[in-house]
This record gives sequence, C-alpha cells and structure tokens, in this order.
Amino acid sequence: DGGITQSPKYLFRKEGQNVTLSCEQNLNHDAMYWYRQDPGQGLRLIYYSQIVNDFQKGDIAEGYSVSREKKESFPLTVTSAQKNPTAFYLCASSIRTSYETQYFGPGTRLLVL
Amino acid sequence: RKEVEQDPGPFNVPEGATVAFNCTYSNSASQSFFWYRQDCRKEPKLLMSVYSSGNEDGRFTAQLNRASQYISLLIRDSKLSDSATYLCVVNFNSGGYQKVTFGTGTKLQVIP
Repeated sequence: DGGITQSPKYLFRKEGQNVTLSCEQNLNHDAMYWYRQDPGQGLRLIYYSQIVNDFQKGDIAEGYSVSREKKESFPLTVTSAQKNPTAFYLCASSIRTSYETQYFGPGTRLLVL
Repeated sequence: RKEVEQDPGPFNVPEGATVAFNCTYSNSASQSFFWYRQDCRKEPKLLMSVYSSGNEDGRFTAQLNRASQYISLLIRDSKLSDSATYLCVVNFNSGGYQKVTFGTGTKLQVIP
C-alpha cells in the first residue's frame, strides 16, 4: 500500500531535550511538508522540501530543523530552542508542489513532560 | 487581516439539511484552492479541489469567486458522517517560493 507513515504516534519530551519525528512516504512524491496544529487552530507550515537536499522555512521554522537526504524521508527535529513544542505534528507530501493535493500522514502528538 | 479566514462554527444542522461554508483569502494572486476534511484527532484528507469553473462531487459543490476573494463549500442532504471540521487551503507564489496557508477550519455537526 502506498502512503505516508509517521512515527511515533505519541512522543514525550523532557525540558531541554531534542526529539526527532519520522516521516516516510512511498508515493514517489517530490515535495514533502511539516505542519504543526494546535488545539482549535489551523495547520501552520514549519518546513517544506520540493527536492532532495533542499528545503525552505515555512511560517514557524524557529526551534525546528529538517533534513532531506532521501526522497522518501523528511525527518523533523524539535530542538530545545522550541519553547512551546506541545502540539500535533503532521507530515504531508505532494507530487511536486503545494499547488497539488497534499496527502497527510496520521500525525505525531508531542507532549512536554 | 488574516491570509485565510473561516468561520469556526460550530454549524449544527439536522440530517438532510443543506449547509454552506465560506473561506475568504487576502492575496489576490492566490493560485490554487482546496477543501480538506479533518475528523477529530485525525489527519486532514482531501475533500475536493476548487476550480475556477466550480466543481461538484456528489452532494458536495465547491466554488471560487475571485472577484470577492472567497471559496465556498456546499453540502446537500447532510449525513451524520459529514460531521467534521472543514479546512480551506489557499496557495500562492511568494518570492519564487510556494506559500500554502490553511484556514483554521469550520466545524460541522450534523444532528439526528
């Protein structure tokens, strides 16, 4: 089955700790995205990548980092610099650009202990 | 003014009713538009793209009004299973990069 997988489903972070969220897709899509969703709010774009080894900051990139070494994978690291990391993190992909349909993974809920 | 605005609702409607949502956008150069559906604590899923000529998929109709800068979603003969949050998405090119903006969503509750 083709799709996007995210792991883990739930993640707990201690203060001052970096954590990495996984996102993998086997749809052969060029573009991948990371969003953050807070309760009662819309999705906000953190980073996106249109091609391997290239990525751009979204609206709320501070405190986050990404890499795109493989087409299939776009991991997101939430660093200790992100002061309010508790949120629902969603990864998505599209064939080439955001002008096309985006397909979402099931998301990771990050909680700070 | 927010780039994309939606009435958060909730819209509480009886089964079988017709309900319509609007989504306004501020950037007149916006190039593509979508409606997504998001169930509670789940990921968004594409409901339909919105084309300039309008498009229909069963009970759902989406329209784009570029002059007034809004998109709309009409749901006819509402079902209990339509209860969800409906997100609009607007894309435009900003400085050579794509900018994708989600609305905060409109919550629909269909009542028996």
